[in-house]
Amino acid sequence: GDSVTQMEGPVTLSEEAFLTINCTYTATGYPSLFWYVQYPGEGLQLLLKATKADDKGSNKGFEATYRKETTSFHLEKGSVQVSDSAVYFCALLVKGAQKLVFGQGTRLTINP
Amino acid sequence: DVKVTQSSRYLVKRTGEKVFLECVQDMDHENMFWYRQDPGLGLRLIYFSYDVKMKEKGDIPEGYSVSREKKERFSLILESASTNQTSMYLCASSRFGTAKPNNEQFFGPGTRLTVL
Repeated sequence: GDSVTQMEGPVTLSEEAFLTINCTYTATGYPSLFWYVQYPGEGLQLLLKATKADDKGSNKGFEATYRKETTSFHLEKGSVQVSDSAVYFCALLVKGAQKLVFGQGTRLTINP
Repeated sequence: DVKVTQSSRYLVKRTGEKVFLECVQDMDHENMFWYRQDPGLGLRLIYFSYDVKMKEKGDIPEGYSVSREKKERFSLILESASTNQTSMYLCASSRFGTAKPNNEQFFGPGTRLTVL
């Protein structure tokens, strides 16, 4: 079945470090891909998305590129801030389906 | 902005109680979803609804039921709460009745349910 695998956390970095959170997927057809972020005490909010191969989603300094050949959608940021501390979820939506399939989430902590 | 609200942020119930979790969205979305979130397991879909009075089982429907009598409201019901249903419950909604490539889901703040 369709599935998403994220790198295991927790991930702890210092402020201004480079961030990569790996995400790979298995899906029938060509899904749309999403990164959601959950700040402490809040629900999930969409961070960025990509709907077809080679698309790059970007928002708030974060980027992810839809790589069909490696079935990946890794999240990157060049210089993280303390305010980026949150749980990050990778997700896919198979075309014709109603529901998102989520990875297990990666907790990110940024130290000043 | 889309707003999804949930009736309680924190809830404590006893084993065997009937529990209702309410979710309301204010943007006339067709789809609504209930997930539970557990550490290391991510979000797992319990039920979803694509129209009033319509529902479909998600990945883990056992022990739960849902009700959607009005378009803006989607209720999750635990008929007889058990300790293994202690979790964070998240409600979400999305606009289109059929899947679109960029069909974003909007989430509520969550209800942390503890069953003693």
